[in-house]
Amino acid sequence: GENVEQHPSTLSVQEGDSAVIKCTYSDSASNYFPWYKQELGKRPQLIIDIRSNVGEKKDQRIAVTLNKTAKHFSLHITETQPEDSAVYFCAAKVPYDSWGKFQFGAGTQVVVTP
Amino acid sequence: NAGVMQNPRHLVRRRGQEARLRCSPMKGHSHVYWYRQLPEEGLKFMVYLQKENIIDESGMPKERFSAEFPKEGPSILRIQQVVRGDSAAYFCASSRESMNTEAFFGQGTRLTVV
Repeated sequence: GENVEQHPSTLSVQEGDSAVIKCTYSDSASNYFPWYKQELGKRPQLIIDIRSNVGEKKDQRIAVTLNKTAKHFSLHITETQPEDSAVYFCAAKVPYDSWGKFQFGAGTQVVVTP
Repeated sequence: NAGVMQNPRHLVRRRGQEARLRCSPMKGHSHVYWYRQLPEEGLKFMVYLQKENIIDESGMPKERFSAEFPKEGPSILRIQQVVRGDSAAYFCASSRESMNTEAFFGQGTRLTVV
């Protein structure tokens, strides 16, 4: 089955610097890659996603890139702020019959220090 | 649209009791996923259901755990004869019936076994 690996497991950055989280996936049929942010004690919330027919997507300070050949995708956060501190999860959706099943990475704890 | 609703938010059970966790998907969503999250760990897939159908239960422990998603009413995750190791946050997510659409998470149920 699909296996999603996420690195690093923890990331500490100075406020204003950039943060990059990388994920790799194993199933070349995966076609949808969302990123979720989970603040302490709260639900994971979708922050950005990318589909397999697109190489890059940007939304203000957040961007995601996808390299289908290498089977990896990355989250980029620029000009980090303290409120960016959270756990970030990547996911890959694997075709399953006519639908899809999500497989999550293990998460990255991001700490933004003032 | 009320979003994905889970109840109860917090559940305390004594060892040996049964725990029933409920998840009402977003309007128009017919697919439900259940995930378990231990403290400071990632999201572990448990089961993927469609109305009246279990699509994939490869992440469910073989004993004591069961899930259903009836034609009417919420999806239920049932844990029989709970043990201390079952203490965790249980999240459900729902999505539409299509290949590359996002999943939205509920607030989670935090189960504590005493």
